[in-house]
Amino acid sequence: KNEVEQSPQNLTAQEGEFITINCSYSVGISALHWLQQHPGGGIVSLFMLSSGKKKHGRLIATINIQEKHSSLHITASHPRDSAVYICAVKETGKLIFGTGTRLQVFP
Amino acid sequence: DTGVSQDPRHKITKRGQNVTFRCDPISEHNRLYWYRQTLGQGPEFLTYFQNEAQLEKSRLLSDRFSAERPKGSFSTLEIQRTEQGDSAMYLCASRQSGTGETQYFGPGTRLLVL
Repeated sequence: KNEVEQSPQNLTAQEGEFITINCSYSVGISALHWLQQHPGGGIVSLFMLSSGKKKHGRLIATINIQEKHSSLHITASHPRDSAVYICAVKETGKLIFGTGTRLQVFP
Repeated sequence: DTGVSQDPRHKITKRGQNVTFRCDPISEHNRLYWYRQTLGQGPEFLTYFQNEAQLEKSRLLSDRFSAERPKGSFSTLEIQRTEQGDSAMYLCASRQSGTGETQYFGPGTRLLVL
Protein backbone atom coordinates (compact mmCIF):
# COMPACT_ATOMS: atom_id res chain seq x y z
CA LYS A 1 0.00 0.00 0.00
CA ASN A 2 1.40 3.39 -1.00
CA GLU A 3 1.89 5.90 1.77
CA VAL A 4 0.11 8.56 -0.28
CA GLU A 5 -2.84 7.62 -2.44
CA GLN A 6 -4.77 9.85 -4.81
CA SER A 7 -8.09 9.43 -6.50
CA PRO A 8 -9.13 9.46 -9.19
CA GLN A 9 -6.08 8.63 -11.30
CA ASN A 10 -7.63 10.23 -14.36
CA LEU A 11 -10.36 12.81 -14.59
CA THR A 12 -12.07 14.46 -17.54
CA ALA A 13 -14.41 17.41 -17.21
CA GLN A 14 -16.29 19.93 -19.29
CA GLU A 15 -15.30 23.54 -18.97
CA GLY A 16 -17.09 25.13 -16.02
CA GLU A 17 -17.46 21.97 -13.96
CA PHE A 18 -16.51 21.75 -10.28
CA ILE A 19 -13.65 19.31 -9.78
CA THR A 20 -12.49 17.44 -6.69
CA ILE A 21 -9.27 15.46 -6.33
CA ASN A 22 -8.70 13.43 -3.19
CA CYS A 23 -5.56 12.47 -1.30
CA SER A 24 -5.23 10.02 1.59
CA TYR A 25 -2.04 9.31 3.48
CA SER A 26 -0.96 6.77 6.06
CA VAL A 27 2.10 8.37 7.65
CA GLY A 28 2.45 11.04 10.28
CA ILE A 29 3.08 14.35 8.58
CA SER A 30 3.97 17.91 9.37
CA ALA A 31 2.54 19.36 6.15
CA LEU A 32 0.76 18.44 2.96
CA HIS A 33 1.44 19.96 -0.45
CA TRP A 34 -0.60 20.16 -3.62
CA LEU A 35 1.48 20.55 -6.78
CA GLN A 36 0.66 21.00 -10.45
CA GLN A 37 2.70 19.41 -13.23
CA HIS A 38 2.27 20.41 -16.85
CA PRO A 39 3.39 18.35 -19.85
CA GLY A 40 7.14 18.67 -20.16
CA GLY A 41 7.68 18.18 -16.48
CA GLY A 42 7.64 21.55 -14.75
CA ILE A 43 6.18 21.31 -11.23
CA VAL A 44 4.63 24.27 -9.47
CA SER A 45 3.63 24.35 -5.84
CA LEU A 46 -0.04 25.30 -5.37
CA PHE A 47 -0.62 24.96 -1.64
CA MET A 48 1.04 23.91 1.57
CA LEU A 49 -1.38 22.93 4.35
CA SER A 50 -0.98 21.81 7.91
CA SER A 51 -4.61 22.35 8.93
CA GLY A 52 -7.93 23.71 7.74
CA LYS A 53 -8.46 25.23 4.34
CA LYS A 54 -6.71 27.52 1.88
CA LYS A 55 -8.04 29.31 -1.18
CA HIS A 56 -6.22 30.83 -4.12
CA GLY A 57 -8.32 32.06 -6.97
CA ARG A 58 -10.43 29.16 -8.23
CA LEU A 59 -8.46 26.60 -6.24
CA ILE A 60 -9.40 25.46 -2.75
CA ALA A 61 -7.48 22.94 -0.66
CA THR A 62 -8.69 21.34 2.55
CA ILE A 63 -7.12 18.94 5.00
CA ASN A 64 -8.53 16.78 7.78
CA ILE A 65 -5.61 15.74 9.98
CA GLN A 66 -7.65 13.25 12.05
CA GLU A 67 -8.88 11.43 8.95
CA LYS A 68 -5.51 11.82 7.12
CA HIS A 69 -7.28 13.15 4.07
CA SER A 70 -7.02 16.21 1.85
CA SER A 71 -8.99 17.46 -1.12
CA LEU A 72 -8.19 19.88 -3.91
CA HIS A 73 -11.16 21.59 -5.51
CA ILE A 74 -11.22 23.58 -8.73
CA THR A 75 -14.25 25.77 -9.29
CA ALA A 76 -15.36 26.84 -12.79
CA SER A 77 -12.76 24.62 -14.43
CA HIS A 78 -11.04 25.79 -17.60
CA PRO A 79 -9.03 23.96 -20.29
CA ARG A 80 -5.86 25.65 -19.00
CA ASP A 81 -6.37 23.73 -15.73
CA SER A 82 -5.49 20.55 -17.63
CA ALA A 83 -2.43 19.11 -15.90
CA VAL A 84 -1.35 16.44 -13.45
CA TYR A 85 -2.14 17.35 -9.84
CA ILE A 86 0.11 15.74 -7.25
CA CYS A 87 -0.36 15.45 -3.51
CA ALA A 88 2.80 15.22 -1.38
CA VAL A 89 3.26 14.87 2.36
CA LYS A 90 6.22 16.05 4.36
CA GLU A 91 7.76 13.37 6.55
CA THR A 92 10.89 14.44 8.44
CA GLY A 93 13.05 16.22 5.86
CA LYS A 94 11.58 14.93 2.64
CA LEU A 95 8.39 14.85 0.57
CA ILE A 96 6.53 11.63 -0.23
CA PHE A 97 4.46 11.98 -3.40
CA GLY A 98 1.27 10.43 -4.64
CA THR A 99 1.11 9.15 -8.20
CA GLY A 100 -0.88 12.14 -9.38
CA THR A 101 -4.28 12.78 -10.91
CA ARG A 102 -4.33 13.56 -14.62
CA LEU A 103 -7.02 16.17 -15.31
CA GLN A 104 -8.28 17.08 -18.76
CA VAL A 105 -10.79 19.87 -19.12
CA PHE A 106 -12.53 20.11 -22.49
CA PRO A 107 -14.08 23.29 -23.92
CA ASP B 1 10.33 29.92 -14.52
CA THR B 2 10.80 29.16 -10.81
CA GLY B 3 14.45 30.29 -10.69
CA VAL B 4 15.81 26.76 -10.39
CA SER B 5 17.69 25.59 -13.48
CA GLN B 6 18.85 22.17 -14.55
CA ASP B 7 21.29 21.12 -17.21
CA PRO B 8 21.01 19.31 -19.52
CA ARG B 9 17.28 19.21 -20.15
CA HIS B 10 17.57 15.96 -22.08
CA LYS B 11 20.22 13.25 -22.14
CA ILE B 12 20.37 10.10 -24.24
CA THR B 13 23.11 7.66 -23.37
CA LYS B 14 24.06 4.07 -23.92
CA ARG B 15 23.87 1.49 -21.17
CA GLY B 16 27.07 1.41 -19.18
CA GLN B 17 28.00 5.04 -19.71
CA ASN B 18 28.31 7.58 -16.90
CA VAL B 19 26.14 10.71 -16.85
CA THR B 20 26.21 13.85 -14.73
CA PHE B 21 23.40 16.32 -14.19
CA ARG B 22 23.64 19.79 -12.72
CA CYS B 23 21.15 21.78 -10.67
CA ASP B 24 21.44 25.49 -9.89
CA PRO B 25 19.02 26.38 -7.08
CA ILE B 26 17.64 29.78 -6.18
CA SER B 27 20.74 31.49 -4.83
CA GLU B 28 19.65 32.15 -1.26
CA HIS B 29 18.17 28.67 -0.76
CA ASN B 30 20.12 26.45 1.62
CA ARG B 31 18.19 23.23 0.95
CA LEU B 32 18.44 21.32 -2.31
CA TYR B 33 16.54 18.15 -3.18
CA TRP B 34 16.88 15.55 -5.92
CA TYR B 35 13.89 13.45 -7.06
CA ARG B 36 13.35 10.86 -9.77
CA GLN B 37 10.10 10.50 -11.68
CA THR B 38 9.23 7.64 -14.00
CA LEU B 39 6.40 7.76 -16.51
CA GLY B 40 2.96 7.83 -14.91
CA GLN B 41 4.31 8.01 -11.39
CA GLY B 42 4.84 10.75 -8.86
CA PRO B 43 8.36 11.91 -8.02
CA GLU B 44 10.41 9.80 -5.62
CA PHE B 45 12.85 11.30 -3.16
CA LEU B 46 16.52 10.55 -3.81
CA THR B 47 18.55 12.82 -1.54
CA TYR B 48 18.77 16.29 -0.06
CA PHE B 49 21.38 18.77 1.09
CA GLN B 50 21.45 21.53 3.61
CA ASN B 51 24.19 23.80 2.37
CA GLU B 52 27.01 21.39 1.43
CA ALA B 53 25.97 18.63 3.83
CA GLN B 54 24.07 15.66 2.42
CA LEU B 55 21.51 15.01 5.15
CA GLU B 56 19.51 12.08 3.83
CA LYS B 57 19.75 9.51 1.07
CA SER B 58 16.97 7.23 -0.13
CA ARG B 59 17.42 3.49 -0.39
CA LEU B 60 16.69 4.12 -4.09
CA LEU B 61 20.10 5.75 -4.35
CA SER B 62 22.27 2.76 -5.15
CA ASP B 63 26.06 2.90 -5.04
CA ARG B 64 26.02 3.85 -8.73
CA PHE B 65 24.48 7.18 -7.80
CA SER B 66 26.36 10.01 -6.15
CA ALA B 67 25.34 13.56 -5.44
CA GLU B 68 27.45 16.50 -4.35
CA ARG B 69 26.97 20.12 -3.43
CA PRO B 70 30.56 21.15 -2.82
CA LYS B 71 30.13 24.87 -2.13
CA GLY B 72 26.57 24.82 -0.93
CA SER B 73 25.33 26.34 -4.17
CA PHE B 74 24.91 24.18 -7.29
CA SER B 75 24.64 20.41 -7.06
CA THR B 76 25.55 17.53 -9.34
CA LEU B 77 24.01 14.09 -9.58
CA GLU B 78 26.16 11.43 -11.22
CA ILE B 79 25.00 8.02 -12.36
CA GLN B 80 27.73 5.53 -13.11
CA ARG B 81 27.33 2.49 -15.36
CA THR B 82 23.83 3.51 -16.40
CA GLU B 83 21.13 0.87 -16.78
CA GLN B 84 17.90 1.01 -18.78
CA GLY B 85 15.99 1.20 -15.51
CA ASP B 86 17.65 4.56 -14.81
CA SER B 87 15.59 6.13 -17.60
CA ALA B 88 13.47 8.76 -15.88
CA MET B 89 13.03 12.47 -15.27
CA TYR B 90 15.46 13.74 -12.64
CA LEU B 91 14.06 16.73 -10.78
CA CYS B 92 15.81 19.20 -8.54
CA ALA B 93 14.10 21.49 -6.06
CA SER B 94 15.27 24.06 -3.56
CA ARG B 95 13.97 26.01 -0.59
CA GLN B 96 15.17 28.16 2.25
CA SER B 97 14.63 26.47 5.59
CA GLY B 98 12.80 28.56 8.16
CA THR B 99 10.94 30.66 5.61
CA GLY B 100 8.21 28.20 4.66
CA GLU B 101 7.89 24.72 3.27
CA THR B 102 7.42 25.52 -0.42
CA GLN B 103 9.92 23.80 -2.67
CA TYR B 104 10.73 25.37 -6.02
CA PHE B 105 11.25 22.83 -8.76
CA GLY B 106 13.53 22.96 -11.75
CA PRO B 107 12.35 21.85 -15.21
CA GLY B 108 14.02 18.45 -14.84
CA THR B 109 16.51 16.44 -16.84
CA ARG B 110 14.97 13.66 -18.90
CA LEU B 111 17.35 10.69 -19.17
CA LEU B 112 16.96 7.92 -21.71
CA VAL B 113 19.30 4.95 -21.44
CA LEU B 114 19.43 2.84 -24.61
